[in-house]
Amino acid sequence: DAGVTQSPTHLIKTRGQQVTLRCSPKSGHDTVSWYQQALGQGPQFIFQYYEEEERQRGNFPDRFSGHQFPNYSSELNVNALLLGDSALYLCASSLRASETQYFGPGTRLLVL
Amino acid sequence: TQLLEQSPQFLSIQEGENLTVYCNSSSVFSSLQWYRQEPGEGPVLLVTVVTGGEVKKLKRLTFQFGDARKDSSLHITAAQPGDTGLYLCAGAKANAGKSTFGDGTTLTVKP
Repeated sequence: DAGVTQSPTHLIKTRGQQVTLRCSPKSGHDTVSWYQQALGQGPQFIFQYYEEEERQRGNFPDRFSGHQFPNYSSELNVNALLLGDSALYLCASSLRASETQYFGPGTRLLVL
Repeated sequence: TQLLEQSPQFLSIQEGENLTVYCNSSSVFSSLQWYRQEPGEGPVLLVTVVTGGEVKKLKRLTFQFGDARKDSSLHITAAQPGDTGLYLCAGAKANAGKSTFGDGTTLTVKP
């Protein structure tokens, strides 16, 4: 039973570029949430996808967008990258009615 | 504004000692999760507590949810170097979808 998987594991971009991160949820889960974790801080909620729609959104600008596919996998897109976007991006999956989330290993993004 | 305050921020102890870390909030949560995270990896779920006053044990780890469901504690007995890591608490509200995290307690257990 595969857990949550994310790709790529590491990524280096320059300011102004765009990036796409990918997530496959744990088997049987239908809901995907994305979090940003800056160094020394706890994860901050970006948004959540269920039934291919954004259901909840945290305090992040429109440069952050996402998508969920029919197989429940998800992408996180960030446009016009800023230095401050450097962080560990975490994907978490859950069942719609469950408040317990399971996290992937994350994608480490460095913006130069 | 941090909705969940974790304390202490850093804790360094010797192997065999006991410790307690805290997670406090002014908000009521329908459930609270504790995670352990190692550097460069995602958080790993340790436990979910749901009922006010609930106590759960996981080997040498004891988790308690406050009666008012606003706070929680994690107690580790006879800590071992393998317990080293970042301990995060996260609160969830019914039908809210997202979890709100504290900034964690970084625990170092020295051999």
